[in-house]
Amino acid sequence: QSVLTQPPSVSAAPGQKVTISCSGSSSNIGNNYVSWYQQLPGTAPKLLIYDNKKRPSGIPDRFSGSKSGTSATLGITGLQTGDEADYYCGTWDSSLSAGVFGTGTKVTVL
Amino acid sequence: EVQLVQSGAEVKKPGESLKISCKGSGYTFTSYWIGWVRQMPGKGLEWMGIIYPADSDTRYSPSFQGQVTISADKSITTAYLQWSSLKASDTAIYYCARIYGDYVKFDYWGQGTLVTVSS
Repeated sequence: QSVLTQPPSVSAAPGQKVTISCSGSSSNIGNNYVSWYQQLPGTAPKLLIYDNKKRPSGIPDRFSGSKSGTSATLGITGLQTGDEADYYCGTWDSSLSAGVFGTGTKVTVL
Repeated sequence: EVQLVQSGAEVKKPGESLKISCKGSGYTFTSYWIGWVRQMPGKGLEWMGIIYPADSDTRYSPSFQGQVTISADKSITTAYLQWSSLKASDTAIYYCARIYGDYVKFDYWGQGTLVTVSS
């Protein structure tokens, strides 16, 4: 099982905001950068956020990331139907000497 | 344009061997790590391991160490993931992805290769 814990699902109406948490420990989130990925149904994951809060070129500023201690958060504002997807956090785990992903969160637009 | 193109879907029997590929183009292949990620049916992402094609330095997750082999041929800008003896539990989609910076920052992904292991 993953060492990073995310809520299984979150939902909100179009135009609203959702936040997704990613909880870890000092061996992973606490001392390493966090990335976030969006996986639309039937497609490969896509990098949304890196280095805790930076957005790659082309990612709208509706997506934001933050980190505090051993937890990280992805925020999505102005929710759109096209945002319905699975979202994963990821980071390095110094104890495992390996990368780890979160358990994943399904976002539903009501 | 950076592209990672993976080999096609495979159907294998338990005990058989398999090698799937991931061809990079549009960038300097030897300057970036390549990683492999597993996604079992209906499940989440799992970090398997990474390779630096310039010198084939390889790192594995403890969960996959000894279960798979990651390799690369820089002359043809291709990375590989292989099994010597497949199990039904290896049924999954396998993604390769280019790493930008630290080892969990995958900025470009392949389309995925579905591996089905069934008797």
